Amino acid sequence: QKEVEQDPGPLSVPEGAIVSLNCTYSNSAFQYFMWYRQYSRKGPELLMYTYSSGNKEDGRFTAQVDKSSKYISLFIRDSQPSDSATYLCAMSGVYKLSFGAGTTVTVRA
Amino acid sequence: NAGVTQTPKFQVLKTGQSMTLQCAQDMNHNSMYWYRQDPGMGLRLIYYSASEGTTDKGEVPNGYNVSRLNKREFSLRLESAAPSQTSVYFCASSEQASEVYNEQFFGPGTRLTVL
Repeated sequence: QKEVEQDPGPLSVPEGAIVSLNCTYSNSAFQYFMWYRQYSRKGPELLMYTYSSGNKEDGRFTAQVDKSSKYISLFIRDSQPSDSATYLCAMSGVYKLSFGAGTTVTVRA
Repeated sequence: NAGVTQTPKFQVLKTGQSMTLQCAQDMNHNSMYWYRQDPGMGLRLIYYSASEGTTDKGEVPNGYNVSRLNKREFSLRLESAAPSQTSVYFCASSEQASEVYNEQFFGPGTRLTVL
């Protein structure tokens, strides 16, 4: 069993829709939870991070963490074609990050 | 401020050939990492260097070697390439390999094909 599970999709939504992404994990020691965005043929870049359980909002993006269920989510409101990318969840363990497989999202104009 | 740079961007090798992937960062970070990314597998850690002078194995180290040349540079070597090493390789760096928050900055990647 992988340490971090993420549905690879792909996910295709119309412009303006809400995009919902999620990951589950098995290691209860994780404390920091991150979402990276990766455009085609580029390196990943940090989008948001959350410490422990709770919500964090940044513009159109909201990250949620439920440590009791070992489940994290990312919501994108009013999605735009420029949001089309692969979104990877990542969790900060001892000296390294553990990544999900990434979900590819396409926002149709 | 270029961030993390990688060379080459693309490479095609024949089975059994060797090559070195180069990585450099200009953010004065202590820690550096090498990942490979394969479809459906996400990013898997090959090796990391928590600080200058130290290197440690990650999740998938077999078939690879690394050298932390100095604080800025971290290279990845394939001694005898195999088709299973066809992948996209990313180098990353962070201020330190902390037990908690560890934002990593990634390079643009090297696309390697082994025939």
